Amino acid sequence: DIVMTQSPDSLAVSLGERATINCKSSQSVLYSPNNKNYLGWYQQKPGQPPKLLIYWASTRESGVPDRFSGSGSGTEFTLTISSLQAEDVAVYYCQQYYSIPLTFGGGTKVEIK
Amino acid sequence: QLQLQESGPGLVKPSETLSLTCTVSGGSISSGSYSWGWIRQPPGKGLEWIGTISYTGSTYYYPSLKSRVTISVDTSKNQFSLNLTSVTAADTAMYFCARLPITGTGRGYLDNWGQGTLVTVSS
Repeated sequence: DIVMTQSPDSLAVSLGERATINCKSSQSVLYSPNNKNYLGWYQQKPGQPPKLLIYWASTRESGVPDRFSGSGSGTEFTLTISSLQAEDVAVYYCQQYYSIPLTFGGGTKVEIK
Repeated sequence: QLQLQESGPGLVKPSETLSLTCTVSGGSISSGSYSWGWIRQPPGKGLEWIGTISYTGSTYYYPSLKSRVTISVDTSKNQFSLNLTSVTAADTAMYFCARLPITGTGRGYLDNWGQGTLVTVSS
């Protein structure tokens, strides 16, 4: 199984400031033939299902605000919220879909400082 | 607009079988462009993929659950289902169904989710 490790477990950021979440995979999720990273990011608010934010490591899902961006390749990835808004308080998960079983990171809780 | 809705018993006794159905509306489950999956989340914990089924019926399961899990699709009802046998308290979780916009391999990201249904395993 590919183990996904997120850091930090939680972070508190002031409104309007940048939030950065890291995700490391135990092996590369870059598929060389198409040069795509099989990595997605999700946002989960309390009492709601996860919502897809980013796929292919850096492609923003339709309707997702452009303050959310994904970067990285191979085994190291980052989700950045460029200017934190109150509605961004949530738990964020990364997920690899390079191989079965699909696996998720443990989650990062983002709060307002 | 695509919608997914889980349904099934909220309480299951230990050693019995957990059975859930996901009803898809606003789109055809027979579309060759998608696969369909189940994911669970124990209370206060993270997400765990259970398995995926393609429109052709090919299935892919989490190895540690494979001996207890069956996912099936009913195209006439636009539904897919999850059966998990011999449940224990460790299977208590919110169960979500979701769509994967990649076919043929069981892999993919999950672009549409149901609201989830809480299943508690208890006598």
